[in-house]
Amino acid sequence: DAGVIQSPRHEVTEMGQEVTLRCKPISGHNSLFWYRQTMMRGLELLIYFNNNVPIDDSGMPEDRFSAKMPNASFSTLKIQPSEPRDSAVYFCASSTLQGDQPQHFGDGTRLSIL
Amino acid sequence: QKEVEQNSGPLSVPEGAIASLNCTYSDRGSQSFFWYRQYSGKSPELIMFIYSNGDKEDGRFTAQLNKASQYVSLLIRDSQPSDSATYLCAVNPSGTYKYIFGTGTRLKVLA
Repeated sequence: DAGVIQSPRHEVTEMGQEVTLRCKPISGHNSLFWYRQTMMRGLELLIYFNNNVPIDDSGMPEDRFSAKMPNASFSTLKIQPSEPRDSAVYFCASSTLQGDQPQHFGDGTRLSIL
Repeated sequence: QKEVEQNSGPLSVPEGAIASLNCTYSDRGSQSFFWYRQYSGKSPELIMFIYSNGDKEDGRFTAQLNKASQYVSLLIRDSQPSDSATYLCAVNPSGTYKYIFGTGTRLKVLA
């Protein structure tokens, strides 16, 4: 079975540009999570969805960040405008709609904002 | 106080020894606990999960949970150089679907 699929794997762009990260969860999983990982702050939850509905976006750092899940098989995380401090690895994870079930991670997007 | 705490390490153990990784958490109502392994430049990979007090074994890995003391640990028996990675503890707080991750313990197994 295919795992969580993220694209692009790497993104390098200039400050001020719009960045869109994409995620396809595992088929049948109805919870989707966006994380950001940095050396300083570790793995931080940005937002998560249940059945395509955003449940908790308290981790989204500021209004420049937005996330959508238009259907069960696709989600986007958008940064507009991007800043150098947004440079990090962004992971998407998915699980079934049971809080005790493990989350499975995608390979991540390594984002560099120049 | 951080919600999930781990010693950042590095924890160095010789090949063949037992590696013991520890994690404490603050939400007493937490129900589910997970250990992930993350190699440098890779994504977190699930190793073990545990829900009940006591021990859970899977191959060379044993997870231990003590809810009264609010700690969870991971033992790796017969440690191999390929076990060298960062180990992340994750806790599912009560009433939510999200995880709170610790900052991870870096393990180095010396050949």
